[in-house]
Amino acid sequence: DTGVSQDPRHKITKRGQNVTFRCDPISEHNRLYWYRQTLGQGPEFLTYFQNEAQLEKSRLLSDRFSAERPKGSFSTLEIQRTEQGDSAMYLCASKFITTGELFFGEGSRLTVL
Amino acid sequence: AQKVTQAQTEISVVEKEDVTLDCVYETRDTTYYLFWYKQPPSGELVFLIRRNSFDEQNEISGRYSWNFQKSTSSFNFTITASQVVDSAVYFCALSDANFGNEKLTFGTGTRLTIIP
Repeated sequence: DTGVSQDPRHKITKRGQNVTFRCDPISEHNRLYWYRQTLGQGPEFLTYFQNEAQLEKSRLLSDRFSAERPKGSFSTLEIQRTEQGDSAMYLCASKFITTGELFFGEGSRLTVL
Repeated sequence: AQKVTQAQTEISVVEKEDVTLDCVYETRDTTYYLFWYKQPPSGELVFLIRRNSFDEQNEISGRYSWNFQKSTSSFNFTITASQVVDSAVYFCALSDANFGNEKLTFGTGTRLTIIP
């Protein structure tokens, strides 16, 4: 499979626990994006990387959220001390810098009890 | 600030009917990009089209067509002879051209159901 892959697809956790999501972009895509989608809403931009550099972070990304892309390939999104408001679908997308299309993964759905 | 409005929350049509999904946007930028994405039940957003704000030509791709009207800040999407496989949530989105398509502002989506 050569698409964007995300893991896990579903995560149920208790409030206060930490969770980590992983995204494997399409090979050789140097830009990687994280979006969050809550029920009935469109996706909202969180952050993006060019290679290993995090170039922009949304104000939606509170201090409890951290994203990394250590070797410019896969990325992780960690949420510390989860809250019920963090329940959402976390979408990863990637693209090659010179092309116009963002390819999205199927998302990681988080439920915080 | 950028904003995308998709006033139609849900639409149902019988198979083979034509259907138009509305999208109205707001931006102060003179150069921007507009997009449509399809989100089937699997959750993956599927890219359908990107349109530069300087290109107001309508686009047709098979059964899909898009009507971009800068004067009314609208970018509507029409599916001709709809099929059951077209059932999905459709999102219109906008980005600042300075960033290319890095940071998309999405509408709330229109859930389209095609009734067999």
